[in-house]
Amino acid sequence: RKEVEQDPGPFNVPEGATVAFNCTYSNSASQSFFWYRQDCRKEPKLLMSVYSSGNEDGRFTAQLNRASQYISLLIRDSKLSDSATYLCVVNMKAAGNKLTFGGGTRVLVKP
Amino acid sequence: EADIYQTPRYLVIGTGKKITLECSQTMGHDKMYWYQQDPGMELHLIHYSYGVNSTEKGDLSSESTVSRIRTEHFPLTLESARPSHTSQYLCASSDFKGQGNNEQFFGPGTRLTVL
Repeated sequence: RKEVEQDPGPFNVPEGATVAFNCTYSNSASQSFFWYRQDCRKEPKLLMSVYSSGNEDGRFTAQLNRASQYISLLIRDSKLSDSATYLCVVNMKAAGNKLTFGGGTRVLVKP
Repeated sequence: EADIYQTPRYLVIGTGKKITLECSQTMGHDKMYWYQQDPGMELHLIHYSYGVNSTEKGDLSSESTVSRIRTEHFPLTLESARPSHTSQYLCASSDFKGQGNNEQFFGPGTRLTVL
């Protein structure tokens, strides 16, 4: 079983709609969580960190559920520019603070 | 924008050649990483360094080697390239010190094709 699992998609989303997707992680000792965004043939870039209480950054909302070991990302009012692959990333202090990346969820926003 | 650079951006080379992929950052970060990513697949950590003269193997076994003689420079070398090494190689750096945001900044990547 992979340490970090994501639905690869693609999620085809009409412009202006809301899309949400989850990521599950296998190691309960995981301590911090992130969503990165990766555009086609580009490098990953940090989208947002995920905090225990949930957090929002503009149209993006991230949630963490430690009991069920998943994190989620919700995008409201989708824009064409939101089309990308969203990478779920987990950090374990016990593993030297190395980041473990999920395979990514591809989102395609269409007019 | 992150100040981390990789050269070359694209490399097509024949089997058996020795190659070095360059990575430099001007942010003074102690920690640097090399990832390998095949198209549509997840990133796999192949090497990392927590500072000068520190290098460690990552989670994915790799035939490449790295060195960290200077803080800003973390080159990756393949002594004898093979077609199985064809992939994208991403370099990243971080100034994470155990608390706070563990953001890694990525370079643009090197797309390697071994014929």
